[in-house]
Amino acid sequence: VQLEQSGAEVKKPGATVKISCKASGHSISDFYIHWVLQAPGKGLEWMGRVDPEEGETKYAEKFQGRVIITADTSIDTVSMELNSLRFEDTAVYYCARSRWLLEGPFDDWGQGTLVTVYS
Amino acid sequence: EIVLTQSPGTLSLSPGERATLSCRASQSVTSRSLAWYQQKPGQAPRLLIYGASSRATGIPDRFSGSGSGTDFTLTISRLEPEDFAVYYCQQYGSSPSTFGQGTKLEIK
Repeated sequence: VQLEQSGAEVKKPGATVKISCKASGHSISDFYIHWVLQAPGKGLEWMGRVDPEEGETKYAEKFQGRVIITADTSIDTVSMELNSLRFEDTAVYYCARSRWLLEGPFDDWGQGTLVTVYS
Repeated sequence: EIVLTQSPGTLSLSPGERATLSCRASQSVTSRSLAWYQQKPGQAPRLLIYGASSRATGIPDRFSGSGSGTDFTLTISRLEPEDFAVYYCQQYGSSPSTFGQGTKLEIK
């Protein structure tokens, strides 16, 4: 399974960014799709995930209310929208997949999307 | 949430040597739901080990995982030049899933 993410984004503080993650080689309905961020020079942080088959989402408490993860099974694409952007949201954002009904491990990852928050 | 603490922060070894990386959890990890990832600069993480001790597809047998409860170990039996990277552990048995802060394996 290959996960292809959309390109880099530059946003101003307070704006909203939407990143997409398209699966090839398999239907996304067979997986959970997760989003993980990595700030420059830092470690990995789980943001949330979607069950594309059921539409159910789960979010980390830190991002609750600011992030929305959606899935469109007709085009095997998951999107992650983060609003009210702050400078500290500057990071590489990865999508990753786990097997359906399992919260991990993350078998495959997208290539990452750099989001820069800059005034 | 479960906090994972990896040690050491940096490990300096030579090719051919054995590497031992530790991951300690603040609470018991459910059903050995512990994974290890390798990340090289500019690349996405790659799954090495899941279920604490099962190798992912295509991972060489010089990589092995062990442990249960709160203490887990990743061992690389004989380091190859391509093994020098950052390694992260992850627990996925309790929500939210959490990662350790990483161990950088560098060439001595």
